[in-house]
This record gives sequence, C-alpha cells and structure tokens, in this order.
Amino acid sequence: DGGITQSPKYLFRKEGQNVTLSCEQNLNHDAMYWYRQDPGQGLRLIYYSQIVNDFQKGDIAEGYSVSREKKESFPLTVTSAQKNPTAFYLCASSISRTVNTEAFFGQGTRLTVV
Amino acid sequence: DAKTTQPNSMESNEEEPVHLPCNHSTISGTDYIHWYRQLPSQGPEYVIHGLTSNVNNRMASLAIAEDRKSSTLILHRATLRDAAVYYCILPHYNAGNMLTFGGGTRLMVKP
Repeated sequence: DGGITQSPKYLFRKEGQNVTLSCEQNLNHDAMYWYRQDPGQGLRLIYYSQIVNDFQKGDIAEGYSVSREKKESFPLTVTSAQKNPTAFYLCASSISRTVNTEAFFGQGTRLTVV
Repeated sequence: DAKTTQPNSMESNEEEPVHLPCNHSTISGTDYIHWYRQLPSQGPEYVIHGLTSNVNNRMASLAIAEDRKSSTLILHRATLRDAAVYYCILPHYNAGNMLTFGGGTRLMVKP
C-alpha cells in the first residue's frame, strides 16, 4: 500500500545524544516536511524539502538537521543542541507546487529524552 | 500569509450534525481552504478542501462563504470516532504546499 512510514513509534534517548528519526514515503511525492508537536499544542514546522538535495528551515529549526538524498526519504536528526527535544514528531509529504492536493502524514515518533 | 481563527473546543451529541467554523478574513483569491483532523496520538489526516464552491465527500461537507472570509466543516452525523482536533488551514503553495497549523478546534462527542 502507498503511504508514509515513520520509525520507530517510540524512542528513548539520554540527554546529550544525537538521535535520528526515520521517514519514508512511496507516494512519489516531491515535498516532505517535519513537524514537532508538544502536548495540547498544534504542529510546528521544523524543516521542509520541495525536491531532492534541497531543504529549507521552518519555524523551529534550531537544534535539528535533515538530509534529502533520496526522493522517498527525509530523516530528521535531533541534536544535543536542541534544548527540549522531548516531543511528538510528525513527518508529512505532498505533491509540490500543485494547488489542488492534500498532505499525507505518518503516525509519528514519540521521542523522550531522559 | 493568511491566518485562520477557530474556536478552541466544541461539543456535540452522537448522531447529531456538527458545524465547525473557521474565519480566514485575509484569504487571497487563490488560497484553497483545507481541513485536517488529528485523532489522539495519531498524525493528522486530510478531511476535505475547497476553493469557492461547497464541497462534499464521504467524510464531511465544506461550506464556503460567498466572500470566502469564512468556512464551515460539517459532519452530518457525529460518531464517537469523530472526536478529534480539527484544523482549518490555508496551504502555502509557494513553499511546497506547506501547512501552518494553529490550535484547531477540539471536538468532543457525547454518547
């Protein structure tokens, strides 16, 4: 089935460690996005990519890094510079630059840093 | 960029219609209106979108005001599974259809 897959669903890390969250899609979408969600809040954009080998910072990019080496993959690294990394992370994809289309979201990764 | 305003929460009884409002007074002529919903501990899912005319699909209906400054998502018969946060969004097409999420409306459905 076509879709967007995030792994793992739950992730625990010690403070000071970098951690990479996986996001894969087989929808042939050009655009991919990473969002962060804190309890009771809406989603905030971390990074987005409209095409392979290109990405832009969103509203809260500090302490995060991404790569887009393949169309289907957009991994997010939460670095030790991110001061409060515990959150629910969501990846999404969509057709880029097309006005009449929707975004598809993964089921999220819940990261807990202890 | 155009912003949207929604009530923080709404309540409904099961099997009754629900009308979820959204104001977008600074909408431009080419902005589509999208609705997503997020069930607890899940990623958001697409519900419906429209430009000027009212739209229907198997999940919901979207009623768009004639001046496009507001819209209403209509769930014809609410079920307990419709309890979720509903987001009204105007995608940024110049930024790869990027979605900016506000706080949304938390819909509670009572049996």
